[in-house]
Amino acid sequence: KNQVEQSPQSLIILEGKNCTLQCNYTVSPFSNLRWYKQDTGRGPVSLTIMTFSENTKSNGRYTATLDADTKQSSLHITASQLSDSASYICVVSAGNAGNMLTFGGGTRLMVKP
Amino acid sequence: NAGVTQTPKFQVLKTGQSMTLQCAQDMNHNSMYWYRQDPGMGLRLIYYSASEGTTDKGEVPNGYNVSRLNKREFSLRLESAAPSQTSVYFCASSRPRAGYNEQFFGPGTRLTVL
Repeated sequence: KNQVEQSPQSLIILEGKNCTLQCNYTVSPFSNLRWYKQDTGRGPVSLTIMTFSENTKSNGRYTATLDADTKQSSLHITASQLSDSASYICVVSAGNAGNMLTFGGGTRLMVKP
Repeated sequence: NAGVTQTPKFQVLKTGQSMTLQCAQDMNHNSMYWYRQDPGMGLRLIYYSASEGTTDKGEVPNGYNVSRLNKREFSLRLESAAPSQTSVYFCASSRPRAGYNEQFFGPGTRLTVL
């Protein structure tokens, strides 16, 4: 069964600090991996999408990495801001009919002043 | 563009009642999806529609029906609500891009079944 596991479940950091969120997956066949940001009470919004051949992608202060061999990804947030407080969801797409997505449970990040 | 819109934002039902969740997108996307999100769990696919006139079951379809009314609208119906259907429901639509489908999500409907 396809699975996506994220760690930690929750994280509290001080404003201005960096943090790294982890994602491990067992999805086959692999097509691409996405990171979404979900603010409280809102729908998920895409941050990055990486295909098999990409091992890093940045979107402003967000940098995602992908190791397809170990089936791991990380999302690094640099110089955190209060507005980064949200849940971050790792999503893996299987390369089969329908390109179905498997969602991780998310990491809830709180940035404190 | 409004993107993906959902109504209502909140709903409380009693066990056995029925209701329809509405979803519309103005991005001219072919594919649309319904997900549910439960605490501590990832989003799970209920139903999807690859194009107007077609619908398919996802991971957790039991207790739900869908209608792809036209290209813009995709509704989710609960015929006889149960407490296990208490959840946040998200509608999404997608467009094809360089080897993958980019999904855009609505703001969600928070449903409580008593």
